[in-house]
Amino acid sequence: SQQGEEDPQALSIQEGENATMNCSYKTSINNLQWYRQNSGRGLVHLILIRSNEREKHSGRLRVTLDTSKKSSSLLITASRAADTASYFCATDGNQFYFGTGTSLTVIP
Amino acid sequence: NAGVTQTPKFQVLKTGQSMTLQCAQDMNHNSMYWYRQDPGMGLRLIYYSASEGTTDKGEVPNGYNVSRLNKREFSLRLESAAPSQTSVYFCASRPSGQAYEQYFGPGTRLTVT
Repeated sequence: SQQGEEDPQALSIQEGENATMNCSYKTSINNLQWYRQNSGRGLVHLILIRSNEREKHSGRLRVTLDTSKKSSSLLITASRAADTASYFCATDGNQFYFGTGTSLTVIP
Repeated sequence: NAGVTQTPKFQVLKTGQSMTLQCAQDMNHNSMYWYRQDPGMGLRLIYYSASEGTTDKGEVPNGYNVSRLNKREFSLRLESAAPSQTSVYFCASRPSGQAYEQYFGPGTRLTVT
């Protein structure tokens, strides 16, 4: 079974708007990572947040982690058409588990 | 550096045929991984190798075998392919220890008819 689940499954927004996607997971983790996948390509790492961190920023990305609720969120601010992709959370504990992904479409 | 490379890019097999998917990395990483990705399922771990000479099962190992040939190479073998193994297969690598990202190859699209 999947360790992580994300919602929404799909998200469509206008360029310039913010996009928020959420990830819930089941067991204890050392860190949680977010990846991006363009259609037909391999995954590319975006950001990592350790289990003792609550929030992290990288450029237009903001990630939060709530270990008590076993959840994380990824916020992409001022979205661009080039941000159109699928986004996956991945939990790093005893094993590495990926979530089911959120498909983001940014309309120019 | 080429990063993580996978061969072949595409493959069509008949049920019962065997094949080996190849993966190599040139980043001197200790850990390597094999995933499969099916529509709507995210990535599921098949096998991983924490270091040269060791391999361990992941979430969906049935029907697969792996070999960590050396530090650079990690192959995935399907002994008797089944239609349920139709998927996109990704190889990844990362340094040992916690808090490191994984680096992914471009994937192999496998169809079993």
